[in-house]
Amino acid sequence: AQSVTQLDSQVPVFEEAPVELRCNYSSSVSVYLFWYVQYPNQGLQLLLKYLSGSTLVESINGFEAEFNKSQTSFHLRKPSVHISDTAEYFCAVSVNAGGTSYGKLTFGQGTILTVHP
Amino acid sequence: KAGVTQTPRYLIKTRGQQVTLSCSPISGHRSVSWYQQTPGQGLQFLFEYFSETQRNKGNFPGRFSGRQFSNSRSEMNVSTLELGDSALYLCASSPPGPGYEQYFGPGTRLTVT
Repeated sequence: AQSVTQLDSQVPVFEEAPVELRCNYSSSVSVYLFWYVQYPNQGLQLLLKYLSGSTLVESINGFEAEFNKSQTSFHLRKPSVHISDTAEYFCAVSVNAGGTSYGKLTFGQGTILTVHP
Repeated sequence: KAGVTQTPRYLIKTRGQQVTLSCSPISGHRSVSWYQQTPGQGLQFLFEYFSETQRNKGNFPGRFSGRQFSNSRSEMNVSTLELGDSALYLCASSPPGPGYEQYFGPGTRLTVT
């Protein structure tokens, strides 16, 4: 079974400051990793994904995440945040092993990022 | 392409009733997954359908069921509603290929009174 731990439930930062949202996972098999963002009263939006290849992945709005296999982590970072980044962020994993893994994402509990002016 | 759509967006039901939620995936996506989101339990996987077959199921009671049609649209049904079923129900569809990246709809907010 897989599990995901997001180490901070809430992260307050000031606008234009850097931010890191931490995510650790546990799995006995190889996983794919994702970050999703959820704005109030909306569904989840895929922010970025790691499937294979370069361990550093980037999104179009300035976020990046680095897959660290030895530390089983996939932390999300942004060098300078904006007010509009205020949202809840979810780290998730999936397993390409068929069977009981089909279509299943395992999510962390979420991190609420609040950007203050 | 149009995104994942879910209907209705909001629903209020009474304990003991049943409810059916609908999901239309992104065109070309054949896999549809359902999740329940609550403040206490977070995001929990309900089940996944692919080509009209349930391929995977989470740890929910049999009151929760679903189906998928030949056009990949999916419905989920909850019978004998309980107060604890109040939640945001999210549907997601996946393109073919590895990774199972999923694209989510806006959700249906179910309130059971």
